[in-house]
Amino acid sequence: AQRVTQPEKLLSVFKGAPVELKCNYSYSGSPELFWYVQYSRQRLQLLLRHISRESIKGFTADLNKGETSFHLKKPFAQEEDSAMYYCALRVYNFNKFYFGSGTKLNVKP
Amino acid sequence: DVKVTQSSRYLVKRTGEKVFLECVQDMDHENMFWYRQDPGLGLRLIYFSYDVKMKEKGDIPEGYSVSREKKERFSLILESASTNQTSMYLCASSSRSGKAFFGQGTRLTVV
Repeated sequence: AQRVTQPEKLLSVFKGAPVELKCNYSYSGSPELFWYVQYSRQRLQLLLRHISRESIKGFTADLNKGETSFHLKKPFAQEEDSAMYYCALRVYNFNKFYFGSGTKLNVKP
Repeated sequence: DVKVTQSSRYLVKRTGEKVFLECVQDMDHENMFWYRQDPGLGLRLIYFSYDVKMKEKGDIPEGYSVSREKKERFSLILESASTNQTSMYLCASSSRSGKAFFGQGTRLTVV
C-alpha cells in the first residue's frame, strides 16, 4: 500500500539556520513526489515536484529511491518560510495523490 | 491561473442534515478530488473522480458520496452529517500532467 510519512509535526528553527523537512514514502511502482505548502490563511499550493529538479524559494528536494525519501531542504531559513508543508506521492496509474500528515515549520526571528 | 472554487468558506450544520459541498474548476481538468484535512492527520482522500460520472473511493469514503455530472463540477455529499465529520474539506483538481490545484477549503462544523 502507498504511504507517505512525515515524522516531524513541528520544526522550529532560527532565521538563517538550515532546515530539512523529512519525507519517506512506500510505493512499489515508480514514484512521483511533490511538496505542497500552506501559508497562514492561504490555500494549499505546489512548492516543487521531483521531476522538475528545480529550486523554488530556495528550497530543493532530491528523490532518493534507495532510502525511499524526498526530504525538503533550504540552507538559510527565512521568517516567511513559516508554514505547513505536506509531502505528496502521486500514484500515476490512478492519478491519486497521497499526502503525509504535514510538518509545521516555524522560523523564529 | 487555475481556479478551483469551493462554494462555501464556512458551514454550520445540524447532526442528521444532508450536506452538499460544491467545487468548480475552470481548467478543463479530468481529475478532481475531495480531501479532509485534520490536525495531525494531514490530508485524507475521501473520493476522487477521473471523468464525468466516474468516481473512485479514497481512503475514508464512509458517510460520504460524490457526484460529477459535469466536468468542471465535483460535489461532496454528507448523507447524514455527524459530529465526527466536523473538519476542513479541500477540493482539488489536476490534469494528467500531475500538478494538483486546491480550493480555499470549506470549514464544516456539525453541531
